[in-house]
Amino acid sequence: AQKITQTQPGMFVQEKEAVTLDCTYDTSDQSYGLFWYKQPSSGEMIFLIYQGSYDEQNATEGRYSLNFQKARKSANLVISASQLGDSAMYFCAMREGSGTASKLTFGTGTRLQVTL
Amino acid sequence: NAGVTQTPKFQVLKTGQSMTLQCAQDMNHEYMSWYRQDPGMGLRLIHYSVGAGITDQGEVPNGYNVSRSTTEDFPLRLLSAAPSQTSVYFCASSYTGARNSPLHFGNGTRLTVT
Repeated sequence: AQKITQTQPGMFVQEKEAVTLDCTYDTSDQSYGLFWYKQPSSGEMIFLIYQGSYDEQNATEGRYSLNFQKARKSANLVISASQLGDSAMYFCAMREGSGTASKLTFGTGTRLQVTL
Repeated sequence: NAGVTQTPKFQVLKTGQSMTLQCAQDMNHEYMSWYRQDPGMGLRLIHYSVGAGITDQGEVPNGYNVSRSTTEDFPLRLLSAAPSQTSVYFCASSYTGARNSPLHFGNGTRLTVT
């Protein structure tokens, strides 16, 4: 079974609108971390936002917020006021495992295109 | 602020050749890892290390070797290149291997095996 599922291969959003990128995860661990990364066309991987499994508040970083619904095992990324520079691939990832050897597992990504 | 440095950026190999992808970080991170990225498959973990002298296998380790003789360096060796190893390779590090520690990525190496 896939640990991280991103069901939207591609999304379009108009500039200045908000967009939600879906992510569901599968784990039997009680303690885990959820991450979102952005990969622009230039290829680098940019860390955007982190949510811990025990965090009660949804994480926010500027225009990015993470809509964390633990019972549904979902960790959707919300981008508010989209900009042309937000056009990129977005990856959801989960870090699980004990101690100092936890591994980061990625979903297959969603390609976001911001239009005028 | 160098962060995670990967070399080379591009490489073309013939089937059967060997090579080493270099990775260095200057952030004193304990944890280092190698991923490969293939279209439609996201990033898959090849090998990782939780500190100097300690390495372990990830999801797709076959055909690759690693070593970690220093905290800073984590080279990835392709023993006998195969066309199936054509991919983009990313080195990534984090302060620790804990669940709340984000990975910081290098800029990637695009490898083509003919």
